Amino acid sequence: SQQGEEDPQALSIQEGENATMNCSYKTSINNLQWYRQNSGRGLVHLILIRSNEREKHSGRLRVTLDTSKKSSSLLITASRAADTASYFCATAQTQGGSEKLVFGKGTKLTVNP
Amino acid sequence: DSGVTQTPKHLITATGQRVTLRCSPRSGDLSVYWYQQSLDQGLQFLIQYYNGEERAKGNILERFSAQQFPDLHSELNLSSLELGDSALYFCASSARDRLSGNTIYFGEGSWLTVV
Repeated sequence: SQQGEEDPQALSIQEGENATMNCSYKTSINNLQWYRQNSGRGLVHLILIRSNEREKHSGRLRVTLDTSKKSSSLLITASRAADTASYFCATAQTQGGSEKLVFGKGTKLTVNP
Repeated sequence: DSGVTQTPKHLITATGQRVTLRCSPRSGDLSVYWYQQSLDQGLQFLIQYYNGEERAKGNILERFSAQQFPDLHSELNLSSLELGDSALYFCASSARDRLSGNTIYFGEGSWLTVV
């Protein structure tokens, strides 16, 4: 089952605006990762935040993690048309002694020029 | 370019047939993962191999099987294909077997269309 659920499912903004995407999950995690996927292409790793971290930055990306609420957010500042893509959160979960990276259904971001 | 190579990029086949998808991981990566992405199911983890051995299993059907060879490339075999198997199949690789703190790198995927 999908453990990470992104919100909103789709987001349309103007270039220069900030985009915020949220992810909620159900079980305890070791870390949470955000990936980006251009239409029909492979997934590109953006950022990883460990369960003992609360915030992480990478360029125009800011990720927060609230383990008490089992949620994370991805903020893209000063968005560009090239940021148009789907964004997925993924959680590393241990089940039955093995680890699996479980993805949410993603947020489709459209940045209009 | 992630360094993960998948072939073929596109494949069209008929129901009931069998296909093999191939993956070459990044140089030095010992773990290979297979994922299926479809519109209705999203990204589903299928299976992971580490250094030739199965390490974790996800929602992989019995009609599907995979293996990782001594040179670390991997193949995903899909048999008795059904229309619902049409999807984008991703291979990914990572250096270690554990996911914690371990970035995994995805290939561009193999588009499978079953007609």
